[in-house]
Amino acid sequence: AQRVTQPEKLLSVFKGAPVELKCNYSYSGSPELFWYVQYSRQRLQLLLRHISRESIKGFTADLNKGETSFHLKKPFAQEEDSAMYYCALSGMGAQKLVFGQGTRLTINP
Amino acid sequence: GAGVSQSPRYKVAKRGQDVALRCDPISGHVSLFWYQQALGQGPEFLTYFQNEAQLDKSGLPSDRFFAERPEGSVSTLKIQRTQQEDSAVYLCASSNTWGQGNEQYVGPGTRLTVT
Repeated sequence: AQRVTQPEKLLSVFKGAPVELKCNYSYSGSPELFWYVQYSRQRLQLLLRHISRESIKGFTADLNKGETSFHLKKPFAQEEDSAMYYCALSGMGAQKLVFGQGTRLTINP
Repeated sequence: GAGVSQSPRYKVAKRGQDVALRCDPISGHVSLFWYQQALGQGPEFLTYFQNEAQLDKSGLPSDRFFAERPEGSVSTLKIQRTQQEDSAVYLCASSNTWGQGNEQYVGPGTRLTVT
């Protein structure tokens, strides 16, 4: 079975501090991992995916197959990063996404 | 350009009523998905279309839920005899190709409240 776990429902850090949103997954095959973000009063949108290996808005995420993790990191948080973040997985041969429960990130000034 | 649109944005239904939720995907997108998001939870997969073919409906919670996409563009999710546990935000997403790892563009959602 496919499963995505985000252990923190809420995360609060100060502006300028590093931030790490944790994501662990369970899947026996070779997954594709994504981070989606939802800013206040906006729709859910893709932030980044591991296959692209890119940095978006200063965020990066590395797929660690040994630890089955895909943590999202940013070295210096900004107030505009406050949002709801969802980690998601798609399995081999499948397009549907399996989402975690989400982490609400708040950046304090 | 225009993104995925959904209508209505809000729907209140009395228990036992039927509802129909509409999704207009991005023009030309072949893949369309429906997700259900309960309060405080992440979205959960309901069903998937590739053009007009419904290739996966494993997430539909009961036979009261039915989805269609007859011409391969607009899709409708129908819920018959609504129950309180159907209260959720229903999200539609589309993708311009198929296969693992493609970006899904998500609509604003329809918030269904069953009273």
